[in-house]
Amino acid sequence: DSGVTQTPKHLITATGQRVTLRCSPRSGDLSVYWYQQSLDQGLQFLIQYYNGEERAKGNILERFSAQQFPDLHSELNLSSLELGDSALYFCASSVDPESSYNEQFFGPGTRLTVL
Amino acid sequence: DAKTTQPNSMESNEEEPVHLPCNHSTISGTDYIHWYRQLPSQGPEYVIHGLTSNVNNRMASLAIAEDRKSSTLILHRATLRDAAVYYCILPQGGNMLTFGGGTRLMVKP
Repeated sequence: DSGVTQTPKHLITATGQRVTLRCSPRSGDLSVYWYQQSLDQGLQFLIQYYNGEERAKGNILERFSAQQFPDLHSELNLSSLELGDSALYFCASSVDPESSYNEQFFGPGTRLTVL
Repeated sequence: DAKTTQPNSMESNEEEPVHLPCNHSTISGTDYIHWYRQLPSQGPEYVIHGLTSNVNNRMASLAIAEDRKSSTLILHRATLRDAAVYYCILPQGGNMLTFGGGTRLMVKP
């Protein structure tokens, strides 16, 4: 158990819909990262937040957005869903995003299926 | 960004040592070398990291070449539970992880 929690575990929805994925980081970690894992693209970094502020952006679509709240939990919002958005979405947390020697702890993921 | 190259797959026998290689010839002087693994149906899991010296922890050892252009993750006694995809990563600004294809390790009983 990494200490990072994600809800829900599974989500099935239809094209065009909007969903929200939730992540609670490990106690004491200020930085949250979101990753997408699909069969054809592998694991891709989407976005990072540190203490409520966006810190880095990766291959995140404009239809996707995220935020980190004062209690440090984070939400990833996916809208106008397409079949290709079906994937595993992982959240990770770390203590200090500025230091590349700090490991990231990953949650169990949310499996999104768009029908 | 510094890139890493790993073999697509490797096989090992249970209870034997496994050496997983990684090439990172464009590594910069300040790049740390991280290893993560992903077991089936789970999120990635941190294994070990190092900068210049060899490192040991309860999971594995990391041997770093003197010129830092390559490294090797060593599992001293592979178990069936070590079957996973192993990723060698050089975190970039903001501790961002870029996952390549990794090495799929298969462990035979």
